[in-house]
Amino acid sequence: EDKVVQSPLSLVVHEGDTVTLNCSYEVTNFRSLLWYKQEKKAPTFLFMLTSSGIEKKSGRLSSILDKKELFSILNITATQTGDSAVYLCAARAGGTSYGKLTFGQGTILTVHP
Amino acid sequence: EPEVTQTPSHQVTQMGQEVILRCVPISNHLYFYWYRQILGQKVEFLVSFYNNEISEKSEIFDDQFSVERPDGSNFTLKIRSTKLEDSAMYFCASRVMVTDTQYFGPGTRLTVL
Repeated sequence: EDKVVQSPLSLVVHEGDTVTLNCSYEVTNFRSLLWYKQEKKAPTFLFMLTSSGIEKKSGRLSSILDKKELFSILNITATQTGDSAVYLCAARAGGTSYGKLTFGQGTILTVHP
Repeated sequence: EPEVTQTPSHQVTQMGQEVILRCVPISNHLYFYWYRQILGQKVEFLVSFYNNEISEKSEIFDDQFSVERPDGSNFTLKIRSTKLEDSAMYFCASRVMVTDTQYFGPGTRLTVL
């Protein structure tokens, strides 16, 4: 059975801190790893990673994938209160799958002023 | 920017009643998905739909569930006889063919009494 595990489950920091969120996966015929930010409702897309060692960056957020060790990290530098959210990691299987995503349980990030 | 939309935002129903949750995927997308998130739990895959048929489904998606694309824009999830344990947030998602990135709608909160 496909599995995605995120750590830590929750994190409380102050504005300006840097955080690292972890995601490990065991997925048959792994194809890609996606990060989403979930505030009130819908998960909103952050990154999709398919290749090891290539960092994806968007402003203060960056992410990297290690396909040998089966994990990914999401870094947020100079955190702001608006970064407070649940961060979800999801893995997509290849093969005969039509794109089903297996999600981790999420990391709840709280950024205090 | 195009978005996935879902209606209603909240649905309250009595156990045993039928409900239909509606989604309008992004217009040029070809793959459609339903996920659910029980309060405090992971986002779970229910079903994927491509070329007017179910392409993949989870063990959660039993005979009580069905999906349909009744016209060129809507994508619906029907639960025939709701149970208390069907109470959850239901998310619709869609993607184009060439990428793994799924875009999620804002969700429908289903409460079964």
